[in-house]
Amino acid sequence: QEQLVQSGAEVKKPGASVKVSCRTSGYTFTSYYIHWVRHAPGRGLEGVGLINPRGGSTNYAPKFQGRVTMTGDTTTSTVYMELSSLRPDDTAVYYCARDRSVGSTSGIFDIWGQGTLVTVSS
Amino acid sequence: DIQMTQSPSSLSASVGDRVTITCRASQSISTYLNWYHQKPGKAPNLLIYGASSLQGGVPSRFSGSGSGTDFTLTITSLQPEDFATYYCQQSYMTPPTFGGGTKVEIK
Repeated sequence: QEQLVQSGAEVKKPGASVKVSCRTSGYTFTSYYIHWVRHAPGRGLEGVGLINPRGGSTNYAPKFQGRVTMTGDTTTSTVYMELSSLRPDDTAVYYCARDRSVGSTSGIFDIWGQGTLVTVSS
Repeated sequence: DIQMTQSPSSLSASVGDRVTITCRASQSISTYLNWYHQKPGKAPNLLIYGASSLQGGVPSRFSGSGSGTDFTLTITSLQPEDFATYYCQQSYMTPPTFGGGTKVEIK
């Protein structure tokens, strides 16, 4: 069964960093890009960026450039998203989502993780 | 970024009703338009991709249409499990952007 399982909720202070994991299973890890999307309270869904697990190339949304780092570990079939210099408005549920296309990015998200709540508060 | 605008932002409907949700892009996106629904506390779930292709396992009462800037999601004969928030999303260019959502509530 293809699934993405994310790490648990985090509470961070402004200025800190957070690293969220997304463990994949049930399919070939390096065959599908992984995207990160966040959903802030009272706000819509927002794309953060993507990573190609085969080789580790990334593409970040301009809004997050310089603050986000996405990495992958082929030995554990896990991808990570680290967001630094956290602000209160980074409080959101962060989702990893698999791209529907094999070996390329279509921007269509067919399997999602359960979400990780990141709360930024002093 | 491409802006996506959905309407209405919410609607009330009864089981068995036909429901239509619209989505407009700020520029032409061909048919690079996807629809998801989301229930409280859950991740979004893909319904329609490429404007009109039904994702595997999704009931045929869901359908999508449109191209360019204007798109429609239709649910024929609304079922109890369809009460949720629906989002459109463009995959024409990065970053992907989503509409603000349409909450479908029970009348």
